[in-house]
Amino acid sequence: AQSVTQLGSHVSVSEGALVLLRCNYSSSVPPYLFWYVQYPNQGLQLLLKYTTGATLVKGINGFEAEFKKSETSFHLTKPSAHMSDAAEYFCAVSEEYSSASKIIFGSGTRLSIRP
Amino acid sequence: GAVVSQHPSRVICKSGTSVKIECRSLDFQATTMFWYRQFPKQSLMLMATSNEGSKATYEQGVEKDKFLINHASLTLSTLTVTSAHPEDSSFYICSASRFQDGNEQFFGPGTRLTVL
Repeated sequence: AQSVTQLGSHVSVSEGALVLLRCNYSSSVPPYLFWYVQYPNQGLQLLLKYTTGATLVKGINGFEAEFKKSETSFHLTKPSAHMSDAAEYFCAVSEEYSSASKIIFGSGTRLSIRP
Repeated sequence: GAVVSQHPSRVICKSGTSVKIECRSLDFQATTMFWYRQFPKQSLMLMATSNEGSKATYEQGVEKDKFLINHASLTLSTLTVTSAHPEDSSFYICSASRFQDGNEQFFGPGTRLTVL
């Protein structure tokens, strides 16, 4: 069965500092991995996704994530935090590529940015 | 492209009444639609998966008679919370997928349900 673990329910960084949000997954087959962002009282927006190929994935708003099979990790990073990055971030995994595939979400990490 | 809307964005109802939430894919035909429930400061829990013209597949522990899902067309799915009670208060989010995007889901903005 697939699962996602996000280490740290709350991360706080200073504006301009490095953002690192951790995600580890469990999957019985090669996984498809996602990072979503959710602003208060809104739906989810896709930041980036890993399917196959290059293990370093670049997404929107300057975020990127690296798929490390040996570590079963898919950590999200951004070199320099901006106040507008404050939001809830969800890592997610799917084991199939079809449009009917389920996506399993991690518990989320709330990112706060200090001025 | 790939915009999903939900209506209403928030609803308050009395205990015992039924509430219908609509999910529409505005600019594409959705292969599959998904319904999630999110409690405050928690993750999304998948409630059910639905395809146009067929019965929804509910996740374990989700009462199908309580949460009625109708997927009447390739652009519309509805979730009806029947005989709502305060414990049904939550944030309900739908998503839709399309064949050419594989397993990527496009999410609606969510519906905040408060049952008094």
